[in-house]
Amino acid sequence: SQELEQSPQSLIVQEGKNLTINCTSSKTLYGLYWYKQKYGEGLIFLMMLQKGGEEKSHEKITAKLDEKKQQSSLHITASQPSHAGIYLCGADFNYKLTFGKGTLLTVNP
Amino acid sequence: NAGVTQTPKFRVLKTGQSMTLLCAQDMNHEYMYWYRQDPGMGLRLIHYSVGEGTTAKGEVPDGYNVSRLKKQNFLLGLESAAPSQTSVYFCASGPKRGEYFGPGTRLLVL
Repeated sequence: SQELEQSPQSLIVQEGKNLTINCTSSKTLYGLYWYKQKYGEGLIFLMMLQKGGEEKSHEKITAKLDEKKQQSSLHITASQPSHAGIYLCGADFNYKLTFGKGTLLTVNP
Repeated sequence: NAGVTQTPKFRVLKTGQSMTLLCAQDMNHEYMYWYRQDPGMGLRLIHYSVGEGTTAKGEVPDGYNVSRLKKQNFLLGLESAAPSQTSVYFCASGPKRGEYFGPGTRLLVL
């Protein structure tokens, strides 16, 4: 079974709309990392959350960690075409990151 | 800083050939990782290192070997390439985990 589930698998939004991507773990989260990947390129580190209730922002992207629910959410406000790409979450399990399969975001102008 | 660099960017191998992928980082990070990314499978950890001279197996280590002789370099070797090793390989390094990824190496094994 997948240790880290991302939802939705893909998302199409109109420019200017808000959106949320979720990452749910089957195990206790000690650290949760969010990345963005453009097709054919490497992953770009967005932010890392460690404590329950922690919230961080990077430009118009905000991520929260709900430790009790073993879940993190990534929220984009007023989406732009530059936000398009694949968003991946990675959970810190014993010195290693286990990744979800990603959420493909398309932003239509 | 160059960040995390990977060499080569693209390579075609024949089954049975060997090759070494080089990952270099200039940020003095302790932790370095090798992943492969395949459609439908996501990112899977091959091997990792928590410091110079140390290595450990990840999720899919079979068919690969690694070495971390210098802190800044992490080498991934394929002794006898197989078509199943066709993939995009990413190296990552970081002060905590693999926060910083390289641009990737595309490997095609015929």
